[in-house]
Amino acid sequence: DQQVKQNSPSLSVQEGRISILNCDYTNSMFDYFLWYKKYPAEGPTFLISISSIKDKNEDGRFTVFLNKSAKHLSLHIVPSQPGDSAVYFCAASVYGGATNKLIFGTGTLLAVQP
Amino acid sequence: DGGITQSPKYLFRKEGQNVTLSCEQNLNHDAMYWYRQDPGQGLRLIYYSQIVNDFQKGDIAEGYSVSREKKESFPLTVTSAQKNPTAFYLCASSGTRGVDTQYFGPGTRLTVL
Repeated sequence: DQQVKQNSPSLSVQEGRISILNCDYTNSMFDYFLWYKKYPAEGPTFLISISSIKDKNEDGRFTVFLNKSAKHLSLHIVPSQPGDSAVYFCAASVYGGATNKLIFGTGTLLAVQP
Repeated sequence: DGGITQSPKYLFRKEGQNVTLSCEQNLNHDAMYWYRQDPGQGLRLIYYSQIVNDFQKGDIAEGYSVSREKKESFPLTVTSAQKNPTAFYLCASSGTRGVDTQYFGPGTRLTVL
């Protein structure tokens, strides 16, 4: 049972344009969400997070939007750069829960074309 | 520099052998985690530990074992009971308040010959 889903395995975008990566979740108890970026043969690096008390969080070129009623979040990258080409994972958790477990999606491979 | 180290980067083992993957952190984090990544799949949690001398099974613990004798170290042993051990293994650590961001090591690629 996949509680966090990234339905697009890959995305190709032109340099300078907007990249939009999507993530859906099924567990209504999730109230904290994170995005990680991963290059091949390296560990994921943390990008940005959002709690359910917000619907938007912005950090430089990266913005995460949360739609709780739709159980959907998205990561916007503007403008996209070739160095953004990587696999992006979304992850979800329950804030203040008994553990700090993260549930990860399967990832979306972003390719930014020069 | 604070961070998480995993060694070795690449590891080869013969079928039927146990192998131990190292994970060390100097971030003073209480919690540590082991994940496995397979092609086309997300990160799946193997084991996690929120405090020294305590650990819990994750979603795919069968064929693996861990220990947490020191705050800084969380070694993972891949036993011969693990049916498909070839994978990329990632270690992470975090605080334990609310949802603390997990920080990852560089990973170890294990290949069973």
